Amino acid sequence: SQQGEEDPQALSIQEGENATMNCSYKTSINNLQWYRQNSGRGLVHLILIRSNEREKHSGRLRVTLDTSKKSSSLLITASRAADTASYFCATGNKLTFGTGTQLKVEL
Amino acid sequence: KAGVTQTPRYLIKTRGQQVTLSCSPISGHRSVSWYQQTPGQGLQFLFEYFSETQRNKGNFPGRFSGRQFSNSRSEMNVSTLELGDSALYLCASSSRPEANYGYTFGSGTRLTVV
Repeated sequence: SQQGEEDPQALSIQEGENATMNCSYKTSINNLQWYRQNSGRGLVHLILIRSNEREKHSGRLRVTLDTSKKSSSLLITASRAADTASYFCATGNKLTFGTGTQLKVEL
Repeated sequence: KAGVTQTPRYLIKTRGQQVTLSCSPISGHRSVSWYQQTPGQGLQFLFEYFSETQRNKGNFPGRFSGRQFSNSRSEMNVSTLELGDSALYLCASSSRPEANYGYTFGSGTRLTVV
């Protein structure tokens, strides 16, 4: 069963806009990770946020974590066509993935 | 430095056969994990090895097995293949076990069972 659930399942935006996707999880965590997957290829690690952190930045990415609500959000600012991909959150020692958000950035 | 290498990239097998997939982690990484990705079930954890020992195992039948060698390379084996085993199999490596650090994934092996 999936530990995390991403919301929305699909998101379509214009280039230059911001994209926000959310992740909810079920059990307590040590950290939460976000990954990107391009069209059936391998996953790329984007960012890891630990349970004692509330916000983390990496380039155009901003991740927040609310352990009281068991939720996290990933914000991609000034999106580009190359950001088109599926985005997954993952938690736990066995790195359990959510269902993913399919992001499409249109020119 | 070289990334995670998975071989072969594509594989077609017949029901009932067995298959072995290979994963070479990033040099220096001693943790290797395997995942199965299907449209219906998404990404599911198979098992994790660290220093040749299996540390964690997912909820898969015993037909799915793996091992890790002293050079950290890992193999997974699926015996008595079923149509439902058709999937993208992903391998990931990390310097430490148990997902406390980010994982680097390979490009995967796409297995088709006919």
